[in-house]
Amino acid sequence: EVQLVESGGGLVQPGGSLRLSCAASGFSFSTYWMHWVRQAPGKGLVWVSRINSDGSSTSYADSVKGRFTISRDNAKNTLYLQMSSLRAEDTAVYYCGRGRYYGLDYWGQGTLVTVSS
Amino acid sequence: QSALTQPASVSGSPGQSITISCTGTSSDVGGYNYVSWYQQHPGKAPKLMIYEVSNRPSGVSNRFSGSKSGNTASLTISGLQAEDEADYYCSSYTSSTTWVFGGGTKLTVL
Repeated sequence: EVQLVESGGGLVQPGGSLRLSCAASGFSFSTYWMHWVRQAPGKGLVWVSRINSDGSSTSYADSVKGRFTISRDNAKNTLYLQMSSLRAEDTAVYYCGRGRYYGLDYWGQGTLVTVSS
Repeated sequence: QSALTQPASVSGSPGQSITISCTGTSSDVGGYNYVSWYQQHPGKAPKLMIYEVSNRPSGVSNRFSGSKSGNTASLTISGLQAEDEADYYCSSYTSSTTWVFGGGTKLTVL
C-alpha cells in the first residue's frame, strides 16, 4: 500500500525557517517524481514544487522561488521541503504527492504550517 | 502562473449529470494533454479522479469522465450521488515546467 506521511509542520515566526519531511512507503520511491502542494485555510490547492526521481531537476512556483528548496533522500525514502524567509501568506496545510501521468496519484494527509508572531 | 479558472460552485440532483469547466491558456491546458482532476472532501487529502485529460485511475467510477477543447477542460459526473458532494480541482502542466491548479469548484448534491 502506498503511504505518504508528512511531518515537520508547526508554528513559526515571520522570517523564520522550517523543514518539512514526507516519508514514503509501499512503492519504489526512487523511480517517481514528487511534488509539494499547499492549501491555505479555507482556500484552494496551490502547487509549490516538484523534484525528479534522482533529484537532479527541480521546479518551483514563483511565490516560493528563492525561499523554498525541495530535495530528496532516496536511501531514506524521504522527500523534504526546506522553507525559509517565511511569510504569513505561507500559512497552509502542506501536502506531498507522488507524481505520475503528469499529475499526483497519491497524496499524504498534510502537515500544517502556521506563520505568525 | 495564474490559476486556472473554474466556476465557484455547481449543483445537481441525484441521478443528474453536471459538468465543471476549467479554463486556462495555450501555455497550459491548451498546450498539453496533461490535465488532471482531483476530488477533495472536507478535511481530507485530494484524490486523483482523472489524468491526462480523460483517463481514469483504477478504482474511480466510470461516472467520472474528462474532456478538453482548446484551452478549456471539462469534468463530467453522471448519475450524481450524494457521496460526490465535494470540492473539485483541475490542474495542468505548463510550458514553464511547473504545474497550476484551478481555484476549485464546490459541488452540491441537492
